[in-house]
Amino acid sequence: DQQVKQNSPSLSVQEGRISILNCDYTNSMFDYFLWYKKYPAEGPTFLISISSIKDKNEDGRFTVFLNKSAKHLSLHIVPSQPGDSAVYFCAAPDPNTGFQKLVFGTGTRLLVSP
Amino acid sequence: EAGVTQFPSHSVIEKGQTVTLRCDPISGHDNLYWYRRVMGKEIKFLLHFVKESKQDESGMPNNRFLAERTGGTYSTLKVQPAELEDSGVYFCASSHSGGFNEQFFGPGTRLTVL
Repeated sequence: DQQVKQNSPSLSVQEGRISILNCDYTNSMFDYFLWYKKYPAEGPTFLISISSIKDKNEDGRFTVFLNKSAKHLSLHIVPSQPGDSAVYFCAAPDPNTGFQKLVFGTGTRLLVSP
Repeated sequence: EAGVTQFPSHSVIEKGQTVTLRCDPISGHDNLYWYRRVMGKEIKFLLHFVKESKQDESGMPNNRFLAERTGGTYSTLKVQPAELEDSGVYFCASSHSGGFNEQFFGPGTRLTVL
């Protein structure tokens, strides 16, 4: 039973355009969310996070939006660059484990073409 | 600061054999986690150490998997005997203690069981 879902396995955008990656969750106890970025042969690296008390968090070209009522979050990358091509994972710390266990989605592979 | 390191980067073994994966966390990080990603699926939590103690091993698939963290430094994950479904990428992560802290991931060990 997947508590964090990323329904788009892949996304292709052109350089300079906006990339929108989506994530849905089912556990209403989740109150903090993270996006990780993963390049081939490397481990996931933290990108940006959002607390449930906010509906938006921005860091440079990256913005995460949270819609608690819909249990949905999205990552916007503007403008997209070829170096952004990677797999993006949505994750939430499980409050039942003292926020130690991260629950991940299946990831979305983003390809940004020049 | 040196990152999380894992050894080996790749391992190819036959069904029934034994494999031991090693993880060296970031120095000073009391928390150490093991995760696994089976191809195309989500990154799944296996277990969590606080120093040398297993805090949560709820994600361990079965008793063919044994994790240790002697002395609270590096950790090993042994699979004995390996089965075909154990193939995947095994990630180790570490973090500071106290509440939720960013987990830093290693590059992973890709295990292939033939």
